[in-house]
Amino acid sequence: KQEVTQIPAALSVPEGENLVLNCSFTDSAIYNLQWFRQDPGKGLTSLLLIQSSQREQTSGRLNASLDKSSGRSTLYIAASQPGDSATYLCAVAPLVGGFKTIFGAGTRLFVKA
Amino acid sequence: DVKVTQSSRYLVKRTGEKVFLECVQDMDHENMFWYRQDPGLGLRLIYFSYDVKMKEKGDIPEGYSVSREKKERFSLILESASTNQTSMYLCASSSTFDAGRETQYFGPGTRLLVL
Repeated sequence: KQEVTQIPAALSVPEGENLVLNCSFTDSAIYNLQWFRQDPGKGLTSLLLIQSSQREQTSGRLNASLDKSSGRSTLYIAASQPGDSATYLCAVAPLVGGFKTIFGAGTRLFVKA
Repeated sequence: DVKVTQSSRYLVKRTGEKVFLECVQDMDHENMFWYRQDPGLGLRLIYFSYDVKMKEKGDIPEGYSVSREKKERFSLILESASTNQTSMYLCASSSTFDAGRETQYFGPGTRLLVL
């Protein structure tokens, strides 16, 4: 059974710092992996989607990498800003049974001004 | 832009009440989902629908039912609300049949408190 783990559960950094959020999954038979952002009390917004054949995706200050063989993904945020404060969730779509996306519990990020 | 709306942001209900949560999407997506989100547990899939009147159970369907009479609307029903159903409920939609493989678009969520 696929399990998705995100460590740490919470992170506080000063503004301007580059940071890495981690996601690990137990079953490498995935179709894609997504990173989402969730602001307090709100829904999720997709940030980056990496297909299983890809190694990374970039959007602005965000870069997500995928290493299927080791069951890991990282989300790199460059030059963090207070507006980046949110919860970041990792989600894995399985190769079989595609609609049952498995979500991690998230990393809550606080960027201090 | 895809828009997914949910009928209520906050709801307070009594144990035993029948509760309806409504979700509407405006992008003609085939697929719609209901999740619940609890601290430390992430999102868990309750039900999924890939077409009108079609539904599939997710990981935690017990105590819930769903209805999809129109393509744009997906309703979650708590037949007899219990305190352990206090949670944040999130609706999502996506555009391909193999739904988990493409981006899901989420609504703002409904925070339900059952007393």
